[in-house]
Amino acid sequence: AAGVIQSPRHLIKEKRETATLKCYPIPRHDTVYWYQQGPGQDPQFLISFYEKMQSDKGSIPDRFSAQQFSDYHSELNMSSLELGDSALYFCASSLQGAEGYTFGSGTRLTVV
Amino acid sequence: AQKVTQAQTEISVVEKEDVTLDCVYETRDTTYYLFWYKQPPSGELVFLIRRNSFDEQNEISGRYSWNFQKSTSSFNFTITASQVVDSAVYFCALSEVDSSYKLIFGSGTRLLVRP
Repeated sequence: AAGVIQSPRHLIKEKRETATLKCYPIPRHDTVYWYQQGPGQDPQFLISFYEKMQSDKGSIPDRFSAQQFSDYHSELNMSSLELGDSALYFCASSLQGAEGYTFGSGTRLTVV
Repeated sequence: AQKVTQAQTEISVVEKEDVTLDCVYETRDTTYYLFWYKQPPSGELVFLIRRNSFDEQNEISGRYSWNFQKSTSSFNFTITASQVVDSAVYFCALSEVDSSYKLIFGSGTRLLVRP
């Protein structure tokens, strides 16, 4: 079965650079979620989209933005990167709420 | 406000021992979902189980079992006859209908199973 695809798997950026993470949800899933997991931490909700509209927002820095496109894939854009942005970034998708809630394998971002 | 508490930061057991991971949650919603995820050293989040708030039936899947008790707001996870491959961080999470179904995670329990 198709899973949630995230790219890239690993990304190394320098401070003050910009990074773009991509997420391809499971076909027909109507909701996409982004989470950030710092070292030794639990995943923290950043933002979600339902049918391409932003549906909820967590503690997402102003330097971060996200959108969902017409083909339902989503991108998380992070600018002016800081060392503290180094983390695992997960995307998840679901259908009608909690049905089929599925995580991607994550993107490991390292800021040097 | 919603909250998930996993009071056990780390647990160490010897292979073949049974181990129970505790999870206590707080919510004002009457409709919610509870999840358990396993995160091995490779980093991915492996889905283990999802239960909704209207289904208090305990569940068993192989060596894994879950005890959901609304009266104590707990959703505990037991591994029977633990194996070295069970070593990982385990997260309990809560999803509420009124909060766009985003997951609120507990802080996780690191399980080490020694040979």
